[in-house]
Amino acid sequence: KAGVTQTPRYLIKTRGQQVTLSCSPISGHRSVSWYQQTPGQGLQFLFEYFSETQRNKGNFPGRFSGRQFSNSRSEMNVSTLELGDSALYLCASSLAEPYEQYFGPGTRLTVT
Amino acid sequence: EDKVVQSPLSLVVHEGDTVTLNCSYEVTNFRSLLWYKQEKKAPTFLFMLTSSGIEKKSGRLSSILDKKELFSILNITATQTGDSAIYLCALYNTNAGKSTFGDGTTLTVKP
Repeated sequence: KAGVTQTPRYLIKTRGQQVTLSCSPISGHRSVSWYQQTPGQGLQFLFEYFSETQRNKGNFPGRFSGRQFSNSRSEMNVSTLELGDSALYLCASSLAEPYEQYFGPGTRLTVT
Repeated sequence: EDKVVQSPLSLVVHEGDTVTLNCSYEVTNFRSLLWYKQEKKAPTFLFMLTSSGIEKKSGRLSSILDKKELFSILNITATQTGDSAIYLCALYNTNAGKSTFGDGTTLTVKP
């Protein structure tokens, strides 16, 4: 079974730009969660989607948004990028409830 | 707010040593506690614990949960250099529908 895939793997953007990250979950998994990982803050929950609906949301500003498609693939968008958005963005999928999660390799975003 | 505290933050041992990593937590609606291993990139799932006192085991790794004292431990016996990684503990809150991660324990195993 193929694992969780994320594209792109690396991204460099400048402040003020926007970015879209993509995540394809394990086949059959319907829950997709997004996390931001930074050295100072650790792994922080962004949001979780299930059946094309955002089911839960973390404490991030509205510049961070996402969506899920009917095939469970998910995208995350960050608008008006700030330097502090530089991080590893991880996507994780699970069958239904987001506890036993399987992570993708992440997208390393650098904002200059 | 849910809280997960891991200790120690970092640990350096030699091959063959046994290590114990700790995870204590505060949560309003406990569903499960999870352990992950993170090497260079993504965390990989190790264990999910839902009941107190039942040890989960996988090779040289084992873990147990104490829901009364609100902690879990992850044991690694006969450590190898390949065990070097960040070990993350996470708590899943049913009502919030999300996992809260600890800061992790960075384990370094020297040959």
